[in-house]
Amino acid sequence: EDKVVQSPLSLVVHEGDTVTLNCSYEVTNFRSLLWYKQEKKAPTFLFMLTSSGIEKKSGRLSSILDKKELFSILNITATQTGDSAVYLCAVRVRDDKIIFGKGTRLHILP
Amino acid sequence: KAGVTQTPRYLIKTRGQQVTLSCSPISGHRSVSWYQQTPGQGLQFLFEYFSETQRNKGNFPGRFSGRQFSNSRSEMNVSTLELGDSALYLCASSLAGLAGLETQYFGPGTRLLVL
Repeated sequence: EDKVVQSPLSLVVHEGDTVTLNCSYEVTNFRSLLWYKQEKKAPTFLFMLTSSGIEKKSGRLSSILDKKELFSILNITATQTGDSAVYLCAVRVRDDKIIFGKGTRLHILP
Repeated sequence: KAGVTQTPRYLIKTRGQQVTLSCSPISGHRSVSWYQQTPGQGLQFLFEYFSETQRNKGNFPGRFSGRQFSNSRSEMNVSTLELGDSALYLCASSLAGLAGLETQYFGPGTRLLVL
C-alpha cells in the first residue's frame, strides 16, 4: 500500500531557529512530491519536486528530494511566527492519484 | 483572477441524510479534485474530474460520488451520511489535473458536521 510518512508530527521552536521537516514515502510509480503549508484554511502550494538532488528555494524555505532513499526535506531558516502552520507532504503517483502525509504541525514561539 | 470557491462553507446534517457540495474552479482550469480532511486520517484524495469525466478515484465507498459540468464546476455528493463523514471537504483546481506537473489551488473548504 502506498504511504507517505512525515516527521516529526509536531515541533515547537523559537523565532529565528532553523527547522527541518522530513517526508519519506513508499509508493509504486512515483511521479512527483509536493509540499504545502496549511494555516487555518486551505493548503497553499510551496514546492513540487520531481528530480533528485535539485534544491528548490523560495525565500527562507528550501526543499530537496532524494529518490534513491525515498525522502524529501523542507528547511525553513530564520523562522518567524508567521511560519506557524501544518506542513503537508504529498506524493503523486502514475495512476494520477495523490497521497498525503499526516503533516507536521510547526509552532514558532516569539 | 478569482480563486477556487466552495459552497456552502459550513453544513450540519444528520445520519442517513445526503449532502451535495459545490466547487467552482479558477477560470480556465479544467481539473477539479476533491479531498476529505479529518484529524485522524489527515488529507485523503476522493476523486478527480477533468473535462466532465472522472479520471481517478481514491479508496472511498460508493456513497461518495461526484460530477463535473461543462463549465468545469463540480459537485460532490455523499449519500446515507455516517458520523465518520464529518470532515473538512476541500476541492482543488488545476489546468491539467493530477496528470500534469503544475500546481493545484485549493478552495477554502466545506466543513460538514454529521450528527
